Amino acid sequence: GIQVEQSPPDLILQEGANSTLRCNFSDSVNNLQWFHQNPWGQLINLFYIPSGTKQNGRLSATTVATERYSLLYISSSQTTDSGVYFCAVQNTGGFKTIFGAGTRLFVKA
Amino acid sequence: DAGITQSPRYKITETGRQVTLMCHQTWSHSYMFWYRQDLGHGLRLIYYSAAADITDKGEVPDGYVVSRSKTENFPLTLESATRSQTSVYFCASRKGGAETQYFGPGTRLLVL
Repeated sequence: GIQVEQSPPDLILQEGANSTLRCNFSDSVNNLQWFHQNPWGQLINLFYIPSGTKQNGRLSATTVATERYSLLYISSSQTTDSGVYFCAVQNTGGFKTIFGAGTRLFVKA
Repeated sequence: DAGITQSPRYKITETGRQVTLMCHQTWSHSYMFWYRQDLGHGLRLIYYSAAADITDKGEVPDGYVVSRSKTENFPLTLESATRSQTSVYFCASRKGGAETQYFGPGTRLLVL
């Protein structure tokens, strides 16, 4: 099945810093989402982005489907950005959504 | 707008007992999913359903049973709970084949 790899696995930032999280996938996809799991365990949708670029406040994401990767940008990080960021994909013609292992982010005040 | 809910939110049971975790969504989404989340393994798909009465196995289906008699409900049953099934279980739903997926709040299950 499709493989999803996220990097880095862990990231520590000083408040105010910028960061880029990466998601590589092994097959063509028709669905890619970024989620944030907050420290209370809640999974929150950030972006639905099978291709192209989207922005929402301090967060933006870009997916280059032909090269099989997606990037999540966090600018001017805040302590509330801490948590785990997951990339999830659904391969073309399939129904399952498969998750990467996540990037654990800690933002220091 | 209730969205997607799970019950119970916390459950403690003993090895060998049958446990059913409930998932309910109010959007009439066609697709529903069950995941488990364990340290070191991320989120793994247990079962999914494309519509009422249509279910299929995910990555880790052994020891679990699902049913979907109504579009809005997707219960997950552990027929004979084992300690290895201690986990956080998330239910999710999606309107169509390639759309945004939404998650419930999760159920924390402890099997003693």
